[in-house]
Amino acid sequence: GAVVSQHPSWVICKSGTSVKIECRSLDFQATTMFWYRQFPKQSLMLMATSNEGSKATYEQGVEKDKFLINHASLTLSTLTVTSAHPEDSSFYICSARKPLGYTFGSGTRLTVV
Amino acid sequence: QKEVEQDPGPLSVPEGAIVSLNCTYSNSAFQYFMWYRQYSRKGPELLMYTYSSGNKEDGRFTAQVDKSSKYISLFIRDSQPSDSATYLCAMVGGNEKLTFGTGTRLTIIP
Repeated sequence: GAVVSQHPSWVICKSGTSVKIECRSLDFQATTMFWYRQFPKQSLMLMATSNEGSKATYEQGVEKDKFLINHASLTLSTLTVTSAHPEDSSFYICSARKPLGYTFGSGTRLTVV
Repeated sequence: QKEVEQDPGPLSVPEGAIVSLNCTYSNSAFQYFMWYRQYSRKGPELLMYTYSSGNKEDGRFTAQVDKSSKYISLFIRDSQPSDSATYLCAMVGGNEKLTFGTGTRLTIIP
């Protein structure tokens, strides 16, 4: 139980375009979701906390205008990377809290060319 | 000083050995402690969740928490090649935000 589905699993886009990543809680309602970024051989870095029906809270140093987060329902949160550049290439992962711990999506590998 | 310290490894052990992974932390506000396993290019998978000092066992995995020493451990018995992955400790206090260790890369040698 408490599964989080993340799509797409990988995406390649051209520099300057926008990419949307979806994160769905399949069998539970997620009032709060978290978005992380992970560089190769490094740990997860929290980007923002997404709350259903309200604005996301961004961590220091994360550009809110570049990484748009929408949490319109209790089962769906989206991260849109706007005007993507090669330095935005990374592994993005969403997470939601469940009764005993936090569950993570399978991640999205973004490559900007 | 980082809030959570974890030896990054890499750690290589022969199949069947007992693996010990450890994290120390400095923030007394941390109340819940987790261990995740992450395979390459995949999201982290929750292995163990604990919130009190002591041991918790689940199959081949045992999580140990010592709040007085601010030290947590994960033991893997009868290690298998499929256990080869990066193991992340994570903990959370009152703000719901997970704080991760840097991860330990583990390889089980057949």
